[in-house]
Amino acid sequence: KAGVTQTPRYLIKTRGQQVTLSCSPISGHRSVSWYQQTPGQGLQFLFEYFSETQRNKGNFPGRFSGRQFSNSRSEMNVSTLELGDSALYLCASSLGSSGGASDTQYFGPGTRLTVL
Amino acid sequence: AQSVTQLGSHVSVSEGALVLLRCNYSSSVPPYLFWYVQYPNQGLQLLLKYTTGATLVKGINGFEAEFKKSETSFHLTKPSAHMSDAAEYFCAVRGYSSASKIIFGSGTRLSIRP
Repeated sequence: KAGVTQTPRYLIKTRGQQVTLSCSPISGHRSVSWYQQTPGQGLQFLFEYFSETQRNKGNFPGRFSGRQFSNSRSEMNVSTLELGDSALYLCASSLGSSGGASDTQYFGPGTRLTVL
Repeated sequence: AQSVTQLGSHVSVSEGALVLLRCNYSSSVPPYLFWYVQYPNQGLQLLLKYTTGATLVKGINGFEAEFKKSETSFHLTKPSAHMSDAAEYFCAVRGYSSASKIIFGSGTRLSIRP
């Protein structure tokens, strides 16, 4: 079974631009979560989608948004990029069962975003 | 609110020595607990998790962790370190509800000396 894939793997943008990152979950997984990883702040939860609905959201400004499609693929968008948005953005998928909190999350390799 | 503290941002052990990575959590109710490993330029991979039942949890690659409610700890151990264990390790906590957020510790970088 193919793992979680993220595209693109690397991205360079300038301040003020917007960016869209894509995540394809493992086949059969209905839940997709997004995380931001930086040396200073560590791993921080962005949001989680389940069956096209945002189920949970972290403490990030409204510039960060996401969505999930009917095939469970997910995208996240960051508008008006700031230098501090430079990070590794990780996507993880899980089955999304009723006891979803204990589900194993399978992570993709991440998208490395650099904002100049 | 839940939180996770990983003691030691960097741990170095000799090959063949015991690996002990410390994790303490704060939660009003017993949570779900996880250990993940991250190799350079890769995403995270689950090593093991505690949900309910047996407090000693065995994971992949010879790692195990013990949930100690009285000490609010979930330390990760491996009897004999291997060079391939060099990586970043993250402890995480999450509540029972699917609406709960997963909280990661700051990570511990494990180095293995030949």
